[in-house]
Amino acid sequence: AQSVTQPDIHITVSEGASLELRCNYSYGATPYLFWYVQSPGQGLQLLLKYFSGDTLVQGIKGFEAEFKRSQSSFNLRKPSVHWSDAAEYFCAVWDNDMRFGAGTRLTVKP
Amino acid sequence: DTEVTQTPKHLVMGMTNKKSLKCEQHMGHRAMYWYKQKAKKPPELMFVYSYEKLSINESVPSRFSPECPNSSLLNLHLHALQPEDSALYLCASSPIGQVLGGYTFGSGTRLTVV
Repeated sequence: AQSVTQPDIHITVSEGASLELRCNYSYGATPYLFWYVQSPGQGLQLLLKYFSGDTLVQGIKGFEAEFKRSQSSFNLRKPSVHWSDAAEYFCAVWDNDMRFGAGTRLTVKP
Repeated sequence: DTEVTQTPKHLVMGMTNKKSLKCEQHMGHRAMYWYKQKAKKPPELMFVYSYEKLSINESVPSRFSPECPNSSLLNLHLHALQPEDSALYLCASSPIGQVLGGYTFGSGTRLTVV
């Protein structure tokens, strides 16, 4: 079965700094990959998705992600983080159902 | 309407109680899901309904009983729960065979079993 791994449990960045959250997938063919964000006590909101085509995908809230087959990665990036971006971020792969990574908690310092 | 609505938002129940969680969507999605999420953990799939029929049951204990009375509603009936069942229960929906849009999640029901 396909799976995703998020190596970083917790990341802290300063407001205005750039952000990169890591996600690695395990699958030979092109997977269906997603990034979701979850604010405390809330449900998950889809940020962006990748299936094929252009390896750089744009999402909501100024986020983007790049699919790199050579590195089996689908890292999430944002050029300038805002305090409201503090949340839990989940990478996911679809394999007959949505399978989530362990999540990365983002803290934003003022 | 592009939302999944879950009620109640919070629920406290005793171990001998019977309660139900409700999920509703009006996006025409024919796949609906229940997830359980413990603190600081990712969501774990419990049940999947496709065209109002149960298609996946991830070996969930029988004290959790799902029901899909129509294409817009999904219920989760709870009975004789244990304190370790305390968690955030998330409902989600998606079009069948069209995963490209991802899943739409509700805000969840925070369940506390005392």
